[in-house]
Amino acid sequence: DAKTTQPPSMDCAEGRAANLPCNHSTISGNEYVYWYRQIHSQGPQYIIHGLKNNETNEMASLIITEDRKSSTLILPHATLRDTAVYYCIVRPPGPNNAGNMLTFGGGTRLMVKP
Amino acid sequence: DSGVTQTPKHLITATGQRVTLRCSPRSGDLSVYWYQQSLDQGLQFLIHYYNGEERAKGNILERFSAQQFPDLHSELNLSSLELGDSALYFCASSVMSASGNTIYFGEGSWLTVV
Repeated sequence: DAKTTQPPSMDCAEGRAANLPCNHSTISGNEYVYWYRQIHSQGPQYIIHGLKNNETNEMASLIITEDRKSSTLILPHATLRDTAVYYCIVRPPGPNNAGNMLTFGGGTRLMVKP
Repeated sequence: DSGVTQTPKHLITATGQRVTLRCSPRSGDLSVYWYQQSLDQGLQFLIHYYNGEERAKGNILERFSAQQFPDLHSELNLSSLELGDSALYFCASSVMSASGNTIYFGEGSWLTVV
């Protein structure tokens, strides 16, 4: 079962920041928070991940609370092409651990509107 | 382009038949994961291979099998196909970085069973 809770849907105006929340209150100390998105029937796309520090890359920023029980993905200037289902996933590190797969929940369906 | 290559992109076959889906991971990636996404369903983990060895199994039917070859490419074999096996099948591979191993997905193989 997914270990995260996300709102099923959100709307955002084009050009505005999209803030997508995620609760992961049972996260373990060595588990990372990963964000992926899936644009209609395409392969899931990696966005960003972090352990406890805030992270930023060319796509988004990830803000993780100090207690690590929740996080927020920020798309700073949403465009219509950002309309997708966004998945927040927690997983342990290491490439060869059993159980290291990504477990997808329902995600948040983000609709960016003109 | 994630660097993960899946073939074929589309496949239509009849019930009772057998098909093989092929995945070439990113160069150097030792892990390969397979996922299934049925219409209006979430992404379901099927199986994980690491350097030729099975590491984890998810909701994979007994009619399905997979393997990873010495050159690290992987195949997912689906037999005795049923209408309900119609789905998108994704392959993913993972790369190690200083902050964990990120999983990258291919664009999927659309399987339609008629």
